[in-house]
Amino acid sequence: NAGVTQTPKFRILKIGQSMTLQCTQDMNHNYMYWYRQDPGMGLKLIYYSVGAGITDKGEVPNGYNVSRSTTEDFPLRLELAAPSQTSVYFCASSYAGFEDSPLHFGNGTRLTVT
Amino acid sequence: GENVEQHPSTLSVQEGDSAVIKCTYSDSASNYFPWYKQELGKGPQLIIDIRSNVGEKKDQRIAVTLNKTAKHFSLHITETQPEDSAVYFCAAERGGTSYGKLTFGQGTILTVHP
Repeated sequence: NAGVTQTPKFRILKIGQSMTLQCTQDMNHNYMYWYRQDPGMGLKLIYYSVGAGITDKGEVPNGYNVSRSTTEDFPLRLELAAPSQTSVYFCASSYAGFEDSPLHFGNGTRLTVT
Repeated sequence: GENVEQHPSTLSVQEGDSAVIKCTYSDSASNYFPWYKQELGKGPQLIIDIRSNVGEKKDQRIAVTLNKTAKHFSLHITETQPEDSAVYFCAAERGGTSYGKLTFGQGTILTVHP
């Protein structure tokens, strides 16, 4: 069981470039989330998904897009990268059902936009 | 929306001492309060959580207390060890349709000196 796997671990982007942050989980969790963590701050929710084909905005969705075509994968797309998107991005998953499970986080992707 | 304040931002203790981290929340509808430990280069890991129908929960050296009337909750670590050094985050969640949509505190850097 690998848990939640994020790739890449690090990335440097130029302003205006685009990229996709990958996230996959092998725990058959139905819920998946993207959070960002800015220096000295707590995590803020970007987008979340309650199942394949269903996504919704979190607290800070501007500048990002997501899709959920399978239960396992939940990629995060950055279009037209801006310096304000420099952050560490965490993907998480959980099982919402009869016995809700806690969030399981990946190890993050550190993104720098210059 | 929910706002979670966490104090202190840094905490330094000697090995064997106790450490206490406190959080307050604003949304009286929040009913789930997890605590996460984040080590360098890793994602947050759940260490303990508490639901609003319970006032205290303990797991070995770690305990969490909740005062719903005052809207605050605290993490207590006894007999601290150097491996407890990390960043600790509190969070709050409303549950229901907000399941998994956590609002995080700003984090506490705990340093345990041998």
